[in-house]
Amino acid sequence: SQTIHQWPATLVQPVGSPLSLECTVEGTSNPNLYWYRQAAGRGLQLLFYSVGIGQISSEVPQNLSASRPQDRQFILSSKKLLLSDSGFYLCAWSKGRLLGGYTFGSGTRLTVV
Amino acid sequence: KQEVTQIPAALSVPEGENLVLNCSFTDSAIYNLQWFRQDPGKGLTSLLLIQSSQREQTSGRLNASLDKSSGRSTLYIAASQPGDSATYLCAGGEGGYQKVTFGTGTKLQVIP
Repeated sequence: SQTIHQWPATLVQPVGSPLSLECTVEGTSNPNLYWYRQAAGRGLQLLFYSVGIGQISSEVPQNLSASRPQDRQFILSSKKLLLSDSGFYLCAWSKGRLLGGYTFGSGTRLTVV
Repeated sequence: KQEVTQIPAALSVPEGENLVLNCSFTDSAIYNLQWFRQDPGKGLTSLLLIQSSQREQTSGRLNASLDKSSGRSTLYIAASQPGDSATYLCAGGEGGYQKVTFGTGTKLQVIP
């Protein structure tokens, strides 16, 4: 069966520090991978998605970047965090063409202080 | 661009009541429609997935329907329980772009 792992679960970082969140999927190959952010009291915002290694689509201009160094690994990064980067970050995967729908990781709660 | 709306934003019902959550979308060329549950501070758990060629899906006390022509999906919860209290989100899939658009959710509280 397929599983998705996301870490860390919580993170407190000072303004201006770097960020690296990692997401990995097991039990499948060539998944579509997604990063979402959920700000307090707001809906889910798609940040990045990838349909293959090295293929990254950015949905909104922002202080973050994403990379997919391996087939089942998706990394969300920032060189310098802003207060506005605080939120709940969720990774998700799907098969190609959204077959089977989305499966989400457990999320990372990021607080920038 | 697909837009997904959920009404009401919050709902409070007594235990045992049957209830319906609504989801509206603007693009009838929707690829699939997925319902999720989110508990406070947690990730999203998939409840039901309806492909564009289907009209409904059932799992236990949950039944979800999809009407592409009217741009609506409903999630029916039978005999609600306090453990059903959570935020419910629907998401419309866009096959061509291989991504989904989420509604803002309905926060459900089932009162014992």
